[in-house]
Amino acid sequence: SAVISQKPSRDICQRGTSLTIQCQVDSQVTMMFWYRQQPGQSLTLIATANQGSEATYESGFVIDKFPISRPNLTFSTLTVSNMSPEDSSIYLCSVARQGDRGELFFGEGSRLTVL
Amino acid sequence: GQNIDQPTEMTATEGAIVQINCTYQTSGFNGLFWYQQHAGEAPTFLSYNVLDGLEEKGRFSSFLSRSKGYSYLLLKELQMKDSASYLCAPEDSNYQLIWGAGTKLIIKP
Repeated sequence: SAVISQKPSRDICQRGTSLTIQCQVDSQVTMMFWYRQQPGQSLTLIATANQGSEATYESGFVIDKFPISRPNLTFSTLTVSNMSPEDSSIYLCSVARQGDRGELFFGEGSRLTVL
Repeated sequence: GQNIDQPTEMTATEGAIVQINCTYQTSGFNGLFWYQQHAGEAPTFLSYNVLDGLEEKGRFSSFLSRSKGYSYLLLKELQMKDSASYLCAPEDSNYQLIWGAGTKLIIKP
C-alpha cells in the first residue's frame, strides 16, 4: 500500500484568498488524483495530475480556479484560488495501486473552511 | 448518463447482519469497488468485484450482478466500529471511478 501525507490537515481561510494543499507519496506514482468531498456528498474528481504535463481537469473544474503542480513522481500540490464559502470542503489526494487504475489509496484529507 | 443509487442511511444492531445495496448505470463497466469511510477520515478500500457472484473477505462480502447493474455489501457480526459510510464506486470503461454518495451505517448496541 502507498502512504500519502497531506498538508494542511485543516485550515480556516478568508474569502478571496488562496490556499495550497500539498500531497506527498512514499513511492513513485504515475498519476495522482485530486478529489473534493463536500459535507454529506460523494467524492468528486477535480483533476488528474500527471508528472511532466498539464493536469487533466474534469467537467466543472478549471485550471485558473484549481491550479495543480506535479514537479516529480512523489509530490503534487493543489491550489484553491480566490476562495468563497462554496469552496468549503474536504480535499483529498489519492493514487492508484496500478498506475491509473485499481484500488485507490487516499491521503488524510485537507478540511477547508472559507469564511 | 452515469448514476449511482444507494440508501442514504441504515441502522443495524451490534452482532447482526446488514446488506447495503447499490444500483448503477455507467458508460461502460470494468468492475465495482466498495470503500469504507469513517467520519472525518479518508476512504479505505474494502472490495473489488469484476465477475458476477459473491466475494467473501472475513466479515465482509460483496456481490455483483453485471447484467442487473447491481451490487451489495454484506456485513456480518456487526461491531460498533463498523459505524461508517460505505461508498459504492463502479469503474467505467476508462477505469474512472464513479462515486456514490455513500450509505451511512449506524450500529446500535
